[in-house]
Amino acid sequence: DAKTTQPPSMDCAEGRAANLPCNHSTISGNEYVYWYRQIHSQGPQYIIHGLKNNETNEMASLIITEDRKSSTLILPHATLRDTAVYYCIVRGNDYKLSFGAGTTVTVRA
Amino acid sequence: GAGVSQSPSNKVTEKGKDVELRCDPISGHTALYWYRQSLGQGLEFLIYFQGNSAPDKSGLPSDRFSAERTGGSVSTLTIQRTQQEDSAVYLCASSLQNSGNTIYFGEGSWLTVV
Repeated sequence: DAKTTQPPSMDCAEGRAANLPCNHSTISGNEYVYWYRQIHSQGPQYIIHGLKNNETNEMASLIITEDRKSSTLILPHATLRDTAVYYCIVRGNDYKLSFGAGTTVTVRA
Repeated sequence: GAGVSQSPSNKVTEKGKDVELRCDPISGHTALYWYRQSLGQGLEFLIYFQGNSAPDKSGLPSDRFSAERTGGSVSTLTIQRTQQEDSAVYLCASSLQNSGNTIYFGEGSWLTVV
């Protein structure tokens, strides 16, 4: 699977949009971009995934660049409960997820 | 239940004892995974099941660790002669098939070896 690069940490203000970047410059055509988050060592929570089109669900939006070498997870209105470690993972035909260090997001009141 | 269920949620055991951790995957999910996360560390893959067979056991850290799955459903992770370095949260996950399907995690079993 392609590696991903994420900033180690970021802060955002409660009520504002949080934009989490991820670089995956070696992604190949059949690999999806997945996002998970983990709060206080609870089980990782699935957020969203996409291949090349932008995706939106009740939790977030995923914007993938046209060349697919990077993506952004958008939490439209961050709340304190969104404070977590966010993982961007590229996954193709591999059966498992390989987690990196992720981005520690702190939402501040 | 609707999600992946794990038990016990917390376990404190004495060094040298054996422990068993149980995972009930989402109904119908044929793929099952075990991960481990030590305090402040990343998620470490342990083992993957497809049905009752385990084609990838590469992440098991030593021969004290074993896992089985019966009936294509419930899985048990067994740690023999526990050591203090085994203290971690053990996470189980499942998905519909192997590749390409979303993987859902349980809340984990916290193991403390004293």
